[in-house]
Amino acid sequence: AAGVIQSPRHLIKEKRETATLKCYPIPRHDTVYWYQQGPGQDPQFLISFYEKMQSDKGSIPDRFSAQQFSDYHSELNMSSLELGDSALYFCASSLWGQAGIHEQYFGPGTRLTVT
Amino acid sequence: ELKVEQNPLFLSMQEGKNYTIYCNYSTTSDRLYWYRQDPGKSLESLFVLLSNGAVKQEGRLMASLDTKARLSTLHITAAVHDLSATYFCAVDPAPQLNRDDKIIFGKGTRLHILP
Repeated sequence: AAGVIQSPRHLIKEKRETATLKCYPIPRHDTVYWYQQGPGQDPQFLISFYEKMQSDKGSIPDRFSAQQFSDYHSELNMSSLELGDSALYFCASSLWGQAGIHEQYFGPGTRLTVT
Repeated sequence: ELKVEQNPLFLSMQEGKNYTIYCNYSTTSDRLYWYRQDPGKSLESLFVLLSNGAVKQEGRLMASLDTKARLSTLHITAAVHDLSATYFCAVDPAPQLNRDDKIIFGKGTRLHILP
C-alpha cells in the first residue's frame, strides 16, 4: 500500500539559510500534518491542512510557513534557520471521516541539520 | 491545556517478562493512539482506541482505554528483543466530529529488552 512520501530525507543547511521540505500524502487522504521532533523528544505538532486550507496551527515559529497544493502535496518552508531547528520533521496524512477518527499515518521524516 | 503523561519513561526488561506502560491524560477524550518508533525512524501506528473499555491486541502487545480514569495501558506479554523501541501514546483532545487536528503526544517510553 502507498505510504506518505517525504523529500528530501536528509538536509544540511547553514544558519540563516532557507529550507523547503515536501510531503506527498497517501492517495485520497484529505488532511496533512507537520510535526517537529527534536533529539530524544516527542513529536510537536506544527500545522495542518484540510482540503488545501490551513485547519490547525500549533507551535510553528513565524519563520516557518506551509501550504498544501491542488494535488494535495504540502511544503514546509523554513527561513532564517537556527541551530535549534535541527530536528526530524515528519509529515502525516489522514482521511477525515468515520465519526471524526483521523488516524494519522506518518512519513519517513526529513532529518534537518543546521550548522 | 491537555497534558499526556507516560510512565515509565525508560524501561529495561528481560526477554520473556511481562510489563505495562501507562498513559494518563488530563482532559476528557475518547480517542487515543499508540505509536512505535525505532531510533531515527518514523512513527508506526499500533493501536487506535475509540471508546471507554476498548481493548485491542496485536501479537504480544495489548492496549486498553479507560476514559473515566483517563488512562490507557500498553501491556507487553513475554517480551522479545524485537519489541525494543520507543512507544508513544497520543491523545486527541477534541470532541468527536470537531475539526481540531492536534493530537498531543506523551514523552514516550524507551523500552530496551535484554536477550
